[in-house]
Amino acid sequence: ETGVTQSPTHLIKTRGQQVTLRCSSQSGHNTVSWYQQALGQGPQFIFQYYREEENGRGNFPPRFSGLQFPNYSSELNVNALELDDSALYLCASSPGTSGRAVETQYFGPGTRLLVL
Amino acid sequence: GEDVEQSLFLSVREGDSSVINCTYTDSSSTYLYWYKQEPGAGLQLLTYIFSNMDMKQDQRLTVLLNKKDKHLSLRIADTQTGDSAIYFCAERAGTYKYIFGTGTRLKVLA
Repeated sequence: ETGVTQSPTHLIKTRGQQVTLRCSSQSGHNTVSWYQQALGQGPQFIFQYYREEENGRGNFPPRFSGLQFPNYSSELNVNALELDDSALYLCASSPGTSGRAVETQYFGPGTRLLVL
Repeated sequence: GEDVEQSLFLSVREGDSSVINCTYTDSSSTYLYWYKQEPGAGLQLLTYIFSNMDMKQDQRLTVLLNKKDKHLSLRIADTQTGDSAIYFCAERAGTYKYIFGTGTRLKVLA
């Protein structure tokens, strides 16, 4: 059984560009959540996907969007990058049997994004 | 509102016990979690406790929950240098998201 994996591990972009981050969920997990962790802070919830649909969203603007694929892998897309988007982006998967009772989340190693 | 608070730093000597504290605000939280984050790494789930429990023990880890005061603690017995990391408390807010604290940086002195 493989754990949660994310790619790339590191990324440097310039302000105004767009970025796509990828996540493969743990085997048997159909729910994926994305978090942003700024330096020295705890993770902040961005959104969650269950069976290819957005299941809930935190206080992030629409330029943060996502996708979940039939194999339950996921992408986080960020448009019009700003300097404050520099952070560690974490993906977490969970079994989520119904999508309404999310169980314990298991995190990937993250993608560190630097916006210059 | 949703808020989870933790003290920022804790320093202990190797072999001593560490106690990391956390307070949360959402009284409807069903699960509370402790995660560990080592430098440059993601979050590792250490343990969790269901809100109808007062205590949970898992090897060197003991979690205490005071639901009345919305206070959660993590005790690490016989702390080792490998336990040096940032520890995050998290509450499950509603059905789909976790609210994390800012983390407590634990430094274990040899």
